[in-house]
Amino acid sequence: SQKIEQNSEALNIQEGKTATLTCNYTNYSPAYLQWYRQDPGRGPVFLLLIRENEKEKRKERLKVTFDTTLKQSLFHITASQPADSATYLCALETNRDDKIIFGKGTRLHILP
Amino acid sequence: AAGVIQSPRHLIKEKRETATLKCYPIPRHDTVYWYQQGPGQDPQFLISFYEKMQSDKGSIPDRFSAQQFSDYHSELNMSSLELGDSALYFCASSLARGAYEQYFGPGTRLTVT
Repeated sequence: SQKIEQNSEALNIQEGKTATLTCNYTNYSPAYLQWYRQDPGRGPVFLLLIRENEKEKRKERLKVTFDTTLKQSLFHITASQPADSATYLCALETNRDDKIIFGKGTRLHILP
Repeated sequence: AAGVIQSPRHLIKEKRETATLKCYPIPRHDTVYWYQQGPGQDPQFLISFYEKMQSDKGSIPDRFSAQQFSDYHSELNMSSLELGDSALYFCASSLARGAYEQYFGPGTRLTVT
């Protein structure tokens, strides 16, 4: 069956280290993949979008990779800060239409 | 900068009642998406509209319907409400279909008692 998996429900990282979150998918061939941040009780906030023909995308301390062979995206936060603590969701479009599927998210805790 | 507006922010209804949620996208955004998010769950795609036409459908119950109006605002109508419909309902808008980021509204918290 088609699904998206994010590596873990929760991840604890020491402040200043790099946090790496994983998004794996099966049975999709998305043209692009997105990463969002969500704080409790709030709507997701867009962070980065990476297209199938792009291997890597960067924005400030954020980096996303997209490996269509492995069917995997990695999301990195370098020099992590306690303010980075949130749930991070990966999302991809299915079947090259407007239907967007979200992963269950990874709760990231940056420990001071 | 203008953001996505959703109203109401909170809504309490009884079982079998009807609810209408409204979404006002960012100006010049012609694509609207609706999501349902239960406690501790990921957002579940319900339905999307592009240029006032339904463009895709997800796990939206038959009891729900939605439309996008000429001014691009959208409404989600929910009838015969059930306890399980209690959730946060998010609307998102994007500049166009496809590979464009979605901007989410603050959500409407629906509680069915």
